[in-house]
Amino acid sequence: SQKIEQNSEALNIQEGKTATLTCNYTNYSPAYLQWYRQDPGRGPVFLLLIRENEKEKRKERLKVTFDTTLKQSLFHITASQPADSATYLCALSTGNNRKLIWGLGTSLAVNP
Amino acid sequence: DAMVIQNPRYQVTQFGKPVTLSCSQTLNHNVMYWYQQKSSQAPKLLFHYYDKDFNNEADTPDNFQSRRPNTSFCFLDIRSPGLGDAAMYLCATSNWGLGDEKLFFGSGTQLSVL
Repeated sequence: SQKIEQNSEALNIQEGKTATLTCNYTNYSPAYLQWYRQDPGRGPVFLLLIRENEKEKRKERLKVTFDTTLKQSLFHITASQPADSATYLCALSTGNNRKLIWGLGTSLAVNP
Repeated sequence: DAMVIQNPRYQVTQFGKPVTLSCSQTLNHNVMYWYQQKSSQAPKLLFHYYDKDFNNEADTPDNFQSRRPNTSFCFLDIRSPGLGDAAMYLCATSNWGLGDEKLFFGSGTQLSVL
């Protein structure tokens, strides 16, 4: 069955640096992959979606890449700020159903 | 401008006492999901409705039931909560089939079982 692995260790970076989070998947390539932000005690918030035929997507300071050969997506936050501190979840879909497969998430702390 | 609203925000119930969590949406989305999330774990899909069509997950215990009386509302019923059911319950919606597959989540209901 399809599985997702995200950085298991929490990521600590200095304000202003670029944070890079990894999402690896096994088996077949998903139709698309999504990234969400989750703050403690809150529901996830959608950030970006990238499809299997796309290499890169950008939104303001956020960038997502998708490498179907490596079976990997990278999520970048440039010029990071303390307000970016949260858990970031990766989720993928095969496209033929309405369900997402979720990673455990990576905790990001941006230090001032 | 909350689009997916969950009530209550916090719910405390007693072991074995039925509890109902509610979710409403103003997005007119055709799919509504219920997820269970425990600390440091991924959201776990319990079931979802596609319009009126109920889709249960194979590993969702019978203790968990759901109702969707109309497009806007969906309820999660836990018939006999156990200590292991203490978790965050998340409702989400999506507009399936229209090229917009992202999920919109509510703020969640944190359930405690005493």
